[in-house]
Amino acid sequence: EAQVTQNPRYLITVTGKKLTVTCSQNMNHEYMSWYRQDPGLGLRQIYYSMNVEVTDKGDVPEGYKVSRKEKRNFPLILESPSPNQTSLYFCASTPRGRTDTQYFGPGTRLTVL
Amino acid sequence: GNSVTQMEGPVTLSEEAFLTINCTYTATGYPSLFWYVQYPGEGLQLLLKATKADDKGSNKGFEATYRKETTSFHLEKGSVQVSDSAVYFCALPQGGSEKLVFGKGTKLTVNP
Repeated sequence: EAQVTQNPRYLITVTGKKLTVTCSQNMNHEYMSWYRQDPGLGLRQIYYSMNVEVTDKGDVPEGYKVSRKEKRNFPLILESPSPNQTSLYFCASTPRGRTDTQYFGPGTRLTVL
Repeated sequence: GNSVTQMEGPVTLSEEAFLTINCTYTATGYPSLFWYVQYPGEGLQLLLKATKADDKGSNKGFEATYRKETTSFHLEKGSVQVSDSAVYFCALPQGGSEKLVFGKGTKLTVNP
């Protein structure tokens, strides 16, 4: 089954404690991205990657890092989380050059105390 | 860049009522347009799409027509069900890239 998986689904942590949210896709897609969803703001792109070892900032990259060492994985790293990063996070993937087949993960709800 | 303005809601309807969620866009050229749906506790799913002007996308009883004259892509359903309760997002690609630009979302609650 074609899918994007994220882990963990729920996470409560404290300010400053480094964390990683994993994202994996099994469709051999080149393009992967991370979004955050906040009430009244919709979804905003954090980072994206066009292929292995190619990443770039989205609209709200501050406080986040990513890496793309393998095609299937695109982890989101929060080196020193802060309460304003409390949000719902989605990973997405799509073949390069396509937008009509974008697949989203189930989401990770992060709370930073 | 491309942008989308979406009716924010929330919207509360009774079962079998008619639904319209407004979406207007600003874009260079004529990009594809999308409606995504997010059911409670789940990720986003593509509900329907239209790839060119005057196209009508449809799925699960929902419809939206790509209108370039009014730069709109309003979502409609003739008779909503409790199971349609969800958040709906209008979206379009950003300048020919794979990135999607989303509206702020409209939360729909359908009461029995």
